Amino acid sequence: EVQLVQSGAEVKKPGESLKISCKGSGYSFTSYWIGWVRQMPGKGLEWMGIIYPGDSDTRYSPSFQGQVTISADKSISTAYLQWSSLKASDTAMYYCARMLGYCSSTSCHPNWFDPWGQGTLVTVSS
Amino acid sequence: EIVMTQSPATLSVSPGERATLSCRASQSVSSNLAWYQQKPGQAPRLLIYGASTRATGIPARFSGSGSGTEFTLTISSLQSEDFAVYYCQQYNNWPPPIMYTFGQGTKLEIK
Repeated sequence: EVQLVQSGAEVKKPGESLKISCKGSGYSFTSYWIGWVRQMPGKGLEWMGIIYPGDSDTRYSPSFQGQVTISADKSISTAYLQWSSLKASDTAMYYCARMLGYCSSTSCHPNWFDPWGQGTLVTVSS
Repeated sequence: EIVMTQSPATLSVSPGERATLSCRASQSVSSNLAWYQQKPGQAPRLLIYGASTRATGIPARFSGSGSGTEFTLTISSLQSEDFAVYYCQQYNNWPPPIMYTFGQGTKLEIK
């Protein structure tokens, strides 16, 4: 069974740093892109960025470029999302998801998100 | 940036009836569209990709249609477990840069 298991909820103060994780299992972690999606309280879904664990190729949404860092450690099948200085407006649920798409003989395009991790709730409050 | 607009924001339907949800793109995305279902307190779940292909394990009562800028998700006979929020997402990433956008969601509630 393909699974993405995310790290637990975090409560932080403004200005603190944070790194949350997403561990994949049940598939070849290095062969599929992983995406990160934000959902602010009571709101919709926003794409943040994607990473290809095979070579750490990373792409960011313009809205999140420079605000977060996405990384991966393929040796432990884990992707990360990190902040260097949190703000109250970073309070949200954060999801990781494997990305699927149409495949050529050599690679698969990152198109849709499936499956999703269970989410990590990040609360930033003084 | 391609903007995805879903309508209506809230749809009230009785169990057993048909529900039709709409998603419009600000420019053509061909058939590069997915639908997701999100229940309270849960992560989203993929329903449809390629505008009309059901994901693995998705019941046949869910169907997707459309191409270009107009898309529809139809649930043919609503079951109690179908009441949730539904999102569309475009992935028209050629030419680059890679960019994904979601609609704002349609809440499907029991009438």
